[in-house]
Order: sequence, then structure tokens, then C-alpha cells
Amino acid sequence: KQEVTQIPAALSVPEGENLVLNCSFTDSAIYNLQWFRQDPGKGLTSLLLIQSSQREQTSGRLNASLDKSSGRSTLYIAASQPGDSATYLCAVRHGAAGNKLTFGGGTRVLVKP
Amino acid sequence: DAMVIQNPRYQVTQFGKPVTLSCSQTLNHNVMYWYQQKSSQAPKLLFHYYDKDFNNEADTPDNFQSRRPNTSFCFLDIRSPGLGDAAMYLCATSRGTGTSGNTIYFGEGSWLTVV
Repeated sequence: KQEVTQIPAALSVPEGENLVLNCSFTDSAIYNLQWFRQDPGKGLTSLLLIQSSQREQTSGRLNASLDKSSGRSTLYIAASQPGDSATYLCAVRHGAAGNKLTFGGGTRVLVKP
Repeated sequence: DAMVIQNPRYQVTQFGKPVTLSCSQTLNHNVMYWYQQKSSQAPKLLFHYYDKDFNNEADTPDNFQSRRPNTSFCFLDIRSPGLGDAAMYLCATSRGTGTSGNTIYFGEGSWLTVV
């Protein structure tokens, strides 16, 4: 059974500092890994999608790496801003037809001005 | 513009009174998902449709049903809501399946309160 873990569960940093969020998964047989952002009471916004054959993806201040063999992904957010405060979730796509998306518990981030 | 639209955003229902949540999409995606997310927990997949094919997760209670009358719409029916069903329900869509590696898009969610 695929299990996804995110550490730490919560993170508080001063504005301008770089953020490092970790995600690990137990079964390396994945199709892709996706990072989402969730604001309080809202749905999930997709940030980055990394295919299983890729090592990293970048979008603006965001960079996500994937090491499939060790079951790890890291999301880096450079020069954090108060607007980055949210919960960040990673999810892996797996299963026989790739229709299962299993989420980690999320990391709640607070960027202090 | 919103691509996955859920209605209502907030729903209060009485214990045992059936409730229906709706989801519509403008992406013409063939896969639609329903997730349940309780406070401070990860979203949990209830079921999904691949076109008209319905796929139920093994641990989804019988109390939860779904309908997909066409590509654009999908409904979540909770036949007899209990207090433990209070949660946010998220609808999501994607093109193809995981084997095609496509992004999954989520709606804003529907908050369900059971009184």
C-alpha cells in the first residue's frame, strides 16, 4: 500500500528565507508526483507536476526535485513571501491504471513579514 | 476563469437527510474524481469515473454514491449523512489516466456540515 509522508507538518520562517518542503513515498512504482497549494477553506491549486522519468521541474521561484528510487521529492521555494503562507501537499499517482492519487498530510507554512 | 466548478460551496444538512453535491468542468476531461477531506487531513479518494466507467474505492462507505450524466457534470450523493461525514468534498478532473501523466485539476470544494 502506497503511503506518503510530509515532514515537517508545520514550518514558520521570516520573509525572504528559502523554504524546503519534504515528501517521501513508500512505493517507487509511480507515474508522477504533483505538488499542490491549499489556502484555508479552499481547493487545491496545482504547482508542479514531475513525471516519473524526470528529476526536477521549475516554475518561477518554485523548484521540485524527484528521486524515485529513494522515494523522495523536495519542493524549494526561493525568497519566501507572506503570500506563500498556505498548506503544501504532495501527491503521487500510482495504481494499475494510474488513477490513484495518494496525498501526504501536508506542510503548513507561515511566512512572517 | 474557474475550470472545475463545485456547487454549493457550503451545505448544511440534517442528520440522515440526503444531500447532493455537484461538479462541472469546462476542460472536457474524461476522468472525474471525488475526494473527501476532513479538517487537517489529506484528501481521501472516494471514487472516480473514467468516461462512464465508475470506479469505487474499496473503503468508500455505501452511503456515498455518484452519478455522471455527461462529460461535464458529476454528482456526489450522500444518502444518509452522519455527523462523521462532515468534511470538505473536492471534485477533480484530468485527461486520461496516470499512465498519460496529466495534471489533475481541483475545484474549490464543497463544505458539508451535518447538524
